[in-house]
Amino acid sequence: GAGVSQSPSNKVTEKGKDVELRCDPISGHTALYWYRQSLGQGLEFLIYFQGNSAPDKSGLPSDRFSAERTGGSVSTLTIQRTQQEDSAVYLCASSHKAGGPGELFFGEGSRLTVL
Amino acid sequence: KNQVEQSPQSLIILEGKNCTLQCNYTVSPFSNLRWYKQDTGRGPVSLTIMTFSENTKSNGRYTATLDADTKQSSLHITASQLSDSASYICVVSFLRGGNMLTFGGGTRLMVKP
Repeated sequence: GAGVSQSPSNKVTEKGKDVELRCDPISGHTALYWYRQSLGQGLEFLIYFQGNSAPDKSGLPSDRFSAERTGGSVSTLTIQRTQQEDSAVYLCASSHKAGGPGELFFGEGSRLTVL
Repeated sequence: KNQVEQSPQSLIILEGKNCTLQCNYTVSPFSNLRWYKQDTGRGPVSLTIMTFSENTKSNGRYTATLDADTKQSSLHITASQLSDSASYICVVSFLRGGNMLTFGGGTRLMVKP
């Protein structure tokens, strides 16, 4: 597709369940970011992938959160044993890194509600 | 510590009026600064990018300024429209490896008829 695609767009789950959120970045973009945005709040950095380098996981809030990026393209954010405070919109962004931080192209987000 | 502070946190203006949003940063070494617009329920979209040597850049009714000495940027919106209602996010990039972005908390703008 032409833009960053995220799925599902909405996910309602019960506390304690695991969830997987998917991100399809723009083709050719080597950088991929995950952010979390709680209602009415700013974007909170979670994790950053750049090419084949080790990901920057410094923003992951707990060991219940993990992310993978397979083949330098699609990424999956996994939240294990979900808690109510995990409820938020999870935004994915990709960027073509050419000698520096480029423009971020965001997906429309996955809205997670933990009951 | 790299920080980006935006003000005001929220703003309400009447359609047709102008407004200015502020962004102060302590990011170093500085690479560039972008303003993003985030409509409700959507992902942010880039409006403009400012590099170290640029003072002013316009994109339609949006004009961004940058003062690299005082580490301040502003986003001026002229003749506001209802569709300008959104959050405006200042993002500063710095010259380091890894995640090189620092986000401001955003300014929520509401344009009323």
